[in-house]
Amino acid sequence: SQTIHQWPATLVQPVGSPLSLECTVEGTSNPNLYWYRQAAGRGLQLLFYSVGIGQISSEVPQNLSASRPQDRQFILSSKKLLLSDSGFYLCAWSGQQNEKLFFGSGTQLSVL
Amino acid sequence: GENVEQHPSTLSVQEGDSAVIKCTYSDSASNYFPWYKQELGKRPQLIIDIRSNVGEKKDQRIAVTLNKTAKHFSLHITETQPEDSAVYFCAAYQAGTALIFGKGTTLSVSS
Repeated sequence: SQTIHQWPATLVQPVGSPLSLECTVEGTSNPNLYWYRQAAGRGLQLLFYSVGIGQISSEVPQNLSASRPQDRQFILSSKKLLLSDSGFYLCAWSGQQNEKLFFGSGTQLSVL
Repeated sequence: GENVEQHPSTLSVQEGDSAVIKCTYSDSASNYFPWYKQELGKRPQLIIDIRSNVGEKKDQRIAVTLNKTAKHFSLHITETQPEDSAVYFCAAYQAGTALIFGKGTTLSVSS
């Protein structure tokens, strides 16, 4: 069966510090991968999605970036965090021919 | 791009009552409409979905309806129970893109 791992679970970072959140999927190959952010009152906001290695689509212009160095690995990064980057970050995957989305357990990021 | 509007943002019902959450979408090319339930501090979980070639789908106490012409779809929960309390998200999808979510509805079921 397929599983998705996301870490860390919680993170407290000062403003201006870098960020790296990692997500890996097991039990499937060539998945579609996604990063969503959940802020209070704003629902699930799509940040990035990837249909293959090195293929990244960005939905929201901001100081975040994403990379997919391996087929089942998706990384969310920032060089300098802003206060507004605080939120609950969710990685997700779907099959290439299947729209059903499965979420990781999330990372609660607090930027202070 | 796709835009999904969801309402109400909060909904309070008594145990045993029905709850209805409504969503509208903007892009007529969207063809898949799932609903997710998120309990406090946990990840969203898929509870039911519907495709554009179907008007209604039911799974025990949960049902979803779709009106393609009006670009509306709704979640219906009957005989609500306290464990139904959660945040519910609707979403819309079109091939080649990603799921776009509404802003969520916080459902509270009091006993």
